[in-house]
Amino acid sequence: KQEVTQIPAALSVPEGENLVLNCSFTDSAIYNLQWFRQDPGKGLTSLLLIQSSQREQTSGRLNASLDKSSGRSTLYIAASQPGDSATYLCAVSDEGGSYIPTFGRGTSLIVHP
Amino acid sequence: DGGITQSPKYLFRKEGQNVTLSCEQNLNHDAMYWYRQDPGQGLRLIYYSQIVNDFQKGDIAEGYSVSREKKESFPLTVTSAQKNPTAFYLCASEGAYNEKLFFGSGTQLSVL
Repeated sequence: KQEVTQIPAALSVPEGENLVLNCSFTDSAIYNLQWFRQDPGKGLTSLLLIQSSQREQTSGRLNASLDKSSGRSTLYIAASQPGDSATYLCAVSDEGGSYIPTFGRGTSLIVHP
Repeated sequence: DGGITQSPKYLFRKEGQNVTLSCEQNLNHDAMYWYRQDPGQGLRLIYYSQIVNDFQKGDIAEGYSVSREKKESFPLTVTSAQKNPTAFYLCASEGAYNEKLFFGSGTQLSVL
């Protein structure tokens, strides 16, 4: 059964810093990996989806990379802003899990002015 | 605009009562999911449906029931058998494999 781990659980940084969030998974035979943002009391918004054949995806200041062989993905946020403060979750879909997304517990990010 | 609508936003359950959470989507998606989120926890899968009139149990289905009579709708009933129902419930849908997962805004269920 796929297990997804996110490190760190919480992160507090000053505005303007570049930062990296980590996601690891136990079964490397994945179908895709998604990164989501969740604001307090809200639903999740998909940020980036990386298919198993891809190495990275970019959207604005966000860049997500995927290394299937090592079971890892990173979300890079450039020039962080207070508006980036939220919880970031990653989810992995794999054939063994009937393609149902399995989620990590998330990283709670605070960017202070 | 296409999207997923969950209602109500807040729901209170009395002991012994069944309550139903609504989830409607107009994205023409085949797959729909119900997740439960507890504070500081990830999302845990309750039920999922990949086609109308068919659904499967997830990891924590005990005390819950669902139906999928229409493509657009996937309601979740929290029964009196669920002894610890207080949580944030999220509904999601997906159009096809390798497409992004879309979420509703969630329902916070609390016990009176």
